[in-house]
Amino acid sequence: EAEVAQSPRYKITEKSQAVAFWCDPISGHATLYWYRQILGQGPELLVQFQDESVVDDSQLPKDRFSAERLKGVDSTLKIQPAELGDSAMYLCASSSAGLLGTGELFFGEGSRLTVL
Amino acid sequence: KQEVTQIPAALSVPEGENLVLNCSFTDSAIYNLQWFRQDPGKGLTSLLLIQSSQREQTSGRLNASLDKSSGRSTLYIAASQPGDSATYLCAVYGGNKLVFGAGTILRVKS
Repeated sequence: EAEVAQSPRYKITEKSQAVAFWCDPISGHATLYWYRQILGQGPELLVQFQDESVVDDSQLPKDRFSAERLKGVDSTLKIQPAELGDSAMYLCASSSAGLLGTGELFFGEGSRLTVL
Repeated sequence: KQEVTQIPAALSVPEGENLVLNCSFTDSAIYNLQWFRQDPGKGLTSLLLIQSSQREQTSGRLNASLDKSSGRSTLYIAASQPGDSATYLCAVYGGNKLVFGAGTILRVKS
């Protein structure tokens, strides 16, 4: 069964360091999402891609976060410099539905970030 | 701004009980609603997707209903099992955004 792949599963870093997360969506899925989930809360959207284009990054803290999906397939989310408040689960999801989002979202296992 | 609320925040039931989880949303202009399951430290697994034109969806022991006009959805779990213990999240898609509730933590005791 096709899955959304994410790495690393766990990352521990010190504040002010740079971190990067990678996501490979299900083959053929044009829409890719990065979510952040703080313990005990629901996921919140950071950035949404349609192919290689950013559709929504209104909640992405652009002073320290960046995301790219250069060839419209896999994607990288970067944080530089990391802050204590960035400790969270970073989830990647993909969908085949396009901009209307009428399809189902499929999530990866997530990348757990701890900033010390 | 869409807001999604899930009640109760936590629920503990004995094995075999039927149970209902509730989800409410403030803006009825949605395209679909999706229920997810999340095990501790893991990603989200899709359980059921209801399009805005549908009233319910069923998968095995799970049944989800949608009343768009009142901004409500319920997830019904029949004959609960200890393996159903997890956090259940609902999410609504509208205005090009998927908005999640905070989830209901379910514990099924054997």
